[in-house]
Formats: sequence, structure tokens, C-alpha cells
Amino acid sequence: QVQLQESGPGLVKPSETLSLTCTVSGGSVSSGSYYWSWIRQPPGKGLEWIGYIYYSGSTSYNPSLKSRVTISVDTSKNRFSLKMSSVTAADTAVYYCARGGILDFWGQGTLVTVSS
Amino acid sequence: EIVLTQSPGTLSLSPGERATLSCRASQSVSSTYLAWYQQKPGQAPRLLIYGASSRATGIPDRFSGSGSGTDFTLTISRLEPEDFALYYCQQYGSSPYTFGQGTKLEIK
Repeated sequence: QVQLQESGPGLVKPSETLSLTCTVSGGSVSSGSYYWSWIRQPPGKGLEWIGYIYYSGSTSYNPSLKSRVTISVDTSKNRFSLKMSSVTAADTAVYYCARGGILDFWGQGTLVTVSS
Repeated sequence: EIVLTQSPGTLSLSPGERATLSCRASQSVSSTYLAWYQQKPGQAPRLLIYGASSRATGIPDRFSGSGSGTDFTLTISRLEPEDFALYYCQQYGSSPYTFGQGTKLEIK
């Protein structure tokens, strides 16, 4: 059973960079069969796809966030990461990592609050 | 960007009834790359349906999906108490992947 676990700071100051890591167990990010995705959900609101990465390093991002987002993969540690720069209060959300474009396995999510 | 519009926003039904949830796309979804997810409070979404009509592993057969092109439906044949939750559709046929705004299924 594939499991994903998000980790990173729960509080980020405005204008700074949000950094999260998703550690995968029970499966390999090097598998050529899957993308590895980030999704977020502001409190009380719907889901927003942020982007995904393939094990080769190829990425796709939501155009609305593309200028501020970088997703990377570390196959040696079986994990992938999200960096989002110049955050504002509007970036406060639960951030999820998940496997695939069909999001069949999800992490539990981590709340990131942007506040001074 | 493909915009997904779900209806109704809220659906009030009783256990044992049939639920029909709709997801309409602003343009055709490639190769029926349409999924449905269930989300309960404080939990991550759970994949129910992919490819418009294929049930994910472990999903009861009371859940079914149908549709193609721009119109898709999630049907729950006989509601169980644990089915009352939020439901989202998602298209993964073209980037950016997008979600509908959700349908809340509540107990009447």
C-alpha cells in the first residue's frame, strides 16, 4: 500500500517561500508509471491542482501559480518537494501530495498558514 | 483551462435513496479522463471513479460513473450513512488539471 506524508513548516510569513516535502513509502517515485502531484485546499473551499512532476524531472504547473511554484524530485530519498515563493494570506491552505494525475493515493494533508 | 461545474451545490437525501450528481465541462474532456472523489471533514479526498466509469480499488458497487464529452454523472444507488460527504469531479485530460467546486451530499 502506497503511503504519502507531507512535512514542512505550518507557518510562513508573507513574501517568504513555502517549502513542503512529500515522502513516499510502499512505492517508488522512480516508477515510470506515475506522476507525483501537489494539490491545495483553502479552509472551507474547494480543491486546486498545483502541479506534478515525473521521475525524470519533467513538470507541469497550474498557469495561475506557475511563476511562483517549483516542484522537484529526489529519487535517492524517494520524495518530492514543493516550493512556492512570495506567499500571501491567499496561499493559506491544506496542502496535499498525491500519486498520479488520477489521484489514487493521497497524503493526510498539512495546513500551511501565511501570517506575520 | 477546462472549467467543471457541479450540480446541485447541495443535495439533501435520506439513507436508502438514490443520489445523482452532475459534472459539466466547459469543453470536451479528453478520452473520458474524468474522476470523482469523496471527501469527509478533516480527511483527504478519496478516489471513487476514474476514466469516467471505472471504480477505484475497494469502492463499493453502489457507486457508478457515466458520461462522456462534457457531461458526466456520479450515481450512488442506495445511500448508506457513510456516503454523506463532499464530492468533487476532476478532469486530468488536459493541463491544468481542474476540479469542480463540489457537491455536498447531506442527510435529509
